[in-house]
Amino acid sequence: GQNIDQPTEMTATEGAIVQINCTYQTSGFNGLFWYQQHAGEAPTFLSYNVLDGLEEKGRFSSFLSRSKGYSYLLLKELQMKDSASYLCAYLRDSNYQLIWGAGTKLIIKP
Amino acid sequence: EAQVTQNPRYLITVTGKKLTVTCSQNMNHEYMSWYRQDPGLGLRQIYYSMNVEVTDKGDVPEGYKVSRKEKRNFPLILESPSPNQTSLYFCASSFPGASGGYNEQFFGPGTRLTVL
Repeated sequence: GQNIDQPTEMTATEGAIVQINCTYQTSGFNGLFWYQQHAGEAPTFLSYNVLDGLEEKGRFSSFLSRSKGYSYLLLKELQMKDSASYLCAYLRDSNYQLIWGAGTKLIIKP
Repeated sequence: EAQVTQNPRYLITVTGKKLTVTCSQNMNHEYMSWYRQDPGLGLRQIYYSMNVEVTDKGDVPEGYKVSRKEKRNFPLILESPSPNQTSLYFCASSFPGASGGYNEQFFGPGTRLTVL
């Protein structure tokens, strides 16, 4: 199968921390991506995890547990410009096909 | 400026009228891909290309054709569009990663297609 799930929508407060979860089920896996997509725009790359653990990149961090089929994106010190959809996607085997979740719409409130 | 361009950005057409959406990248990327994005379904891959003259079906190829005659261009062709192909389309490109790995994809600005 190629199921991948993430919450449809989340709300957080400016300056706070939010964690967006992503779970997947697949027989072949070669890494997990997070992308950010502002309304009406193209997705832009945030992170890529292929090994277990936490990757930190400024205010954004991404975590992967391959044994649990689980990843999360952690956003710290939220800013209004972080209001966007966050897409997780796993790479199926090594044939360069990405399987995408439906995206999590993050709403930041003042 | 390194970029992926798509044209047109917006298109309203009628059922059965052949159309082509162009995609071009100036980053010398081997890999290119077409996606459609529909509410609640996320991005779904239509076709992809590992290099010139090499194309493969993605998950939703029905009703679409592609070609890769040059490295920089990867047009999407709808021979006989139908209303269920109304969607937001994205082209993307990247370098393949080493040892079967992967690199980030760069996306074009999107083409919003409406088929009446």
